[in-house]
Amino acid sequence: AQKITQTQPGMFVQEKEAVTLDCTYDTSDPSYGLFWYKQPSSGEMIFLIYQGSYDQQNATEGRYSLNFQKARKSANLVISASQLGDSAMYFCAMSRHSGGGADGLTFGKGTHLIIQP
Amino acid sequence: DAMVIQNPRYQVTQFGKPVTLSCSQTLNHNVMYWYQQKSSQAPKLLFHYYDKDFNNEADTPDNFQSRRPNTSFCFLDIRSPGLGDAAMYLCATSRDLWGQGASRAIGTEAFFGQGTRLTVV
Repeated sequence: AQKITQTQPGMFVQEKEAVTLDCTYDTSDPSYGLFWYKQPSSGEMIFLIYQGSYDQQNATEGRYSLNFQKARKSANLVISASQLGDSAMYFCAMSRHSGGGADGLTFGKGTHLIIQP
Repeated sequence: DAMVIQNPRYQVTQFGKPVTLSCSQTLNHNVMYWYQQKSSQAPKLLFHYYDKDFNNEADTPDNFQSRRPNTSFCFLDIRSPGLGDAAMYLCATSRDLWGQGASRAIGTEAFFGQGTRLTVV
């Protein structure tokens, strides 16, 4: 069975600082995908970044980067130069089978990030 | 330019009264999902459609059903809502590249709608 663990229920960060959100995972599948989503208070899930298990380089998308350490089974999200609009819940998720994600996602419990001015 | 649209955004239903939540997509994705997210919890997959093939999660209660009449629309039916069914219901879509000749696992992100917040009174 797959499992995603996010150990930080909440974080307070000063605006413009970098922030790292932790995510560890467990799976027996050799092929998988890891995702990060942002959920503002309005409720929608916003895709941020994706890392495939076979990808050699860490994924980056603008201010977001994913620190993928396969041997340690960790996939931490790094947000550089945080902004007030980054305040939200952040979920780490894993594709359920074979990396393609078609069978749905398993989510962690989330981290509530609050950016302070 | 909403791509996954859920209606309504807020739904209040009476205990035991059947309710239907709807989801439509303009992305022409072949996979559609329904997730349940209770307050302060992670989203939990209820079921998904791979094209017309329905895939139910083992622990999804029988009270929850789904229909997908065509590629664009998917419905979540709750036959007899209980107080414990109050939650945010999230619809999502994705395009399965693995089934379209991808040489290896290539992830496609799921696109989510804004959700329907269901209250049971």
